[in-house]
Formats: sequence, structure tokens, C-alpha cells
Amino acid sequence: EVQMVESGGGVVQPGGSLRLSCAASGFTFSNYWMSWVRQAPGKGLEWVANLKPDESEKYYIGSVMGRFTISRDNAKNSLYLQMSRLRVEDTAVYYCVRSWANPNIGPPLDYWGQGTLVTVSS
Amino acid sequence: DIQMTQSPSSLSASIGDRVTITCRASQSIRNYLSWYQQKPGKAPKVLIYAASSLKSGVPSRFSGSGSGTDFTLTISSLQPEDFATYYCQQSYGSRTWTFGQGTKVESK
Repeated sequence: EVQMVESGGGVVQPGGSLRLSCAASGFTFSNYWMSWVRQAPGKGLEWVANLKPDESEKYYIGSVMGRFTISRDNAKNSLYLQMSRLRVEDTAVYYCVRSWANPNIGPPLDYWGQGTLVTVSS
Repeated sequence: DIQMTQSPSSLSASIGDRVTITCRASQSIRNYLSWYQQKPGKAPKVLIYAASSLKSGVPSRFSGSGSGTDFTLTISSLQPEDFATYYCQQSYGSRTWTFGQGTKVESK
């Protein structure tokens, strides 16, 4: 069974940092692009970042560029999101999502974790 | 960036109704369009990808159509478990992706 389990969420002050982790299982992690998607309380979905299996390509939504870094450890079947200079508007549930093995083949956001809540507040 | 506009933002329907949700892209995205269903407190689930391909295990009452800039999600006969919020999402190129704002399907 394909599974993603996020951790690392919590309450942080504006300007602070947080690192999210995602433990993946049930598939060959090193073959797949991975993504982070977030959802502010009561709001819609917002794609945050994509990462190629070999980390040679990374893409971010403009509002987090320069503040967030997506990375992975294929040996540990883990995905990460390092978040710094956090803002109140970064408050959201952050989902770890399995993406494609090959771009444009199959669903782009296929299997989702249950999410971890990040609250940025003073 | 490519903007995605869904309509309506909400709708009321009854069991057995045919429901149609539309999604418009600000530029052509060919067929790189997916649809997701989200229920309260749960993670989204993919229903349709590549505009019209049904994800394995998804009931056949769900269908998608369109290409270029205009897309449609249709539920042929609404079931009780289909009351949820639906999102379209473009994946044109691997670079930056965007979702529509969502359509909430409620019971009439």
C-alpha cells in the first residue's frame, strides 16, 4: 500500500523556521517525482513545490521561492521541506504527495499523505 | 503563471442529478488537467487526469472532457458520497502548477 506520513508541523513565530518530513512507503521512492501541496484553513489547495527523483530539478510557487527548500533522501525514502522566514500567510496544512515516475504519464498528484499543520503566529 | 478559474464556486444538487463543473485556463494547457475530490478533514483524491482519463478505482459516473483552455467534470448521477469539494489542477510543463479555487457540491 502506497503511504505518505508527514511530520514536523507545529506553531512557530513569524520569521522562524520549521522542517517538515515525509516518510514514504509501498513504492520505489527513488523512481518518483515528489510534491508538497498546502491548504490554508478554510481555503483551497495550493501547490508549493516539485522535486525530481535525482534532485536535478526543483520548482516552487513564487511566494515561497528563496524561503523554502524541497529535498529528499532516497536511501531513507523521505521527502523534506525546509521552511524559513515564515509568514502568517504560510499557515496551512502541508501535504506530501507522490507525483509522476515520468512527467505527463499518469496523475501528477497521485497519492497524498494526511497532512501536517503549520501555524505561524506570534 | 497559468491561472485556473472554476465555476460555479458552489452548487446545490439532489441525489441522481447530473452535475457539471467547468474549469478554464488562462492559456492553453493542452490536456494537462486533473480533477480532485476533497471531503472535510481529508486529503484530496485524484479522480481524472490528462483531462479525461479515469483514475483506477474511481466510479465511472465521473468523467472529464476538454482540451486547450476549457474543461469539464461531469458526475452523471450524483450519489450521497459525492458531496464534497472539487478542484481542477493544471500540470502543463513540470515547472509550476496551479489549482482552481474549488467547487463545493452541497445537498439541495
